[in-house]
Amino acid sequence: QQQVKQSPQSLIVQKGGISIINCAYENTAFDYFPWYQQFPGKGPALLIAIRPDVSEKKEGRFTISFNKSAKQFSLHIMDSQPGDSATYFCAASSSGTASKLTFGTGTRLQVTL
Amino acid sequence: DTAVSQTPKYLVTQMGNDKSIKCEQNLGHDTMYWYKQDSKKFLKIMFSYNNKELIINETVPNRFSPKSPDKAHLNLHINSLELGDSAVYFCASSPGTGSQPQHFGDGTRLSIL
Repeated sequence: QQQVKQSPQSLIVQKGGISIINCAYENTAFDYFPWYQQFPGKGPALLIAIRPDVSEKKEGRFTISFNKSAKQFSLHIMDSQPGDSATYFCAASSSGTASKLTFGTGTRLQVTL
Repeated sequence: DTAVSQTPKYLVTQMGNDKSIKCEQNLGHDTMYWYKQDSKKFLKIMFSYNNKELIINETVPNRFSPKSPDKAHLNLHINSLELGDSAVYFCASSPGTGSQPQHFGDGTRLSIL
């Protein structure tokens, strides 16, 4: 059972454009929604995260939009750059000692010149 | 200074062998994890330790045995390696349990011949 569904699987965006990646979750107990960026040969790196008490969080060119009622959240990358080309993972977790991150299936983003 | 470091980076071995992967974090975190990333880049948690105590064991075959000698180290020993064990294994750490940011190492690529 995949608890976090991510789309699209791959995305090609021109330099300067907006990249949008979407995720949907099923477990209403989730209360933490991070996005990770992974470059080839490297581990995932935390990019930005949101908790359900806010509907949007912005850090530089990266914005998370969160819709609690729809159980969806998305990552927007403004002014996309070739250096943003990477695989992006959404994830979710709930509170508690045995809490674990459940990852989406990843989106491979390519930003062209 | 590398925050979460894993050794070795690459591991090539034959089916049936036993191998270990080591992980160390210098972030002062209490919680450490092992993840498996398969060929389709899907990330799945295997184990989690908090202050040397096992708190998550995600139905992983008992050929996999984690060990945490102290809260800064988490090792993974794999017995009787199988072809399906080929993957990238990531170690991660977080300040504590629950919904907290996780910091990943750069992974160990395990290839079974």
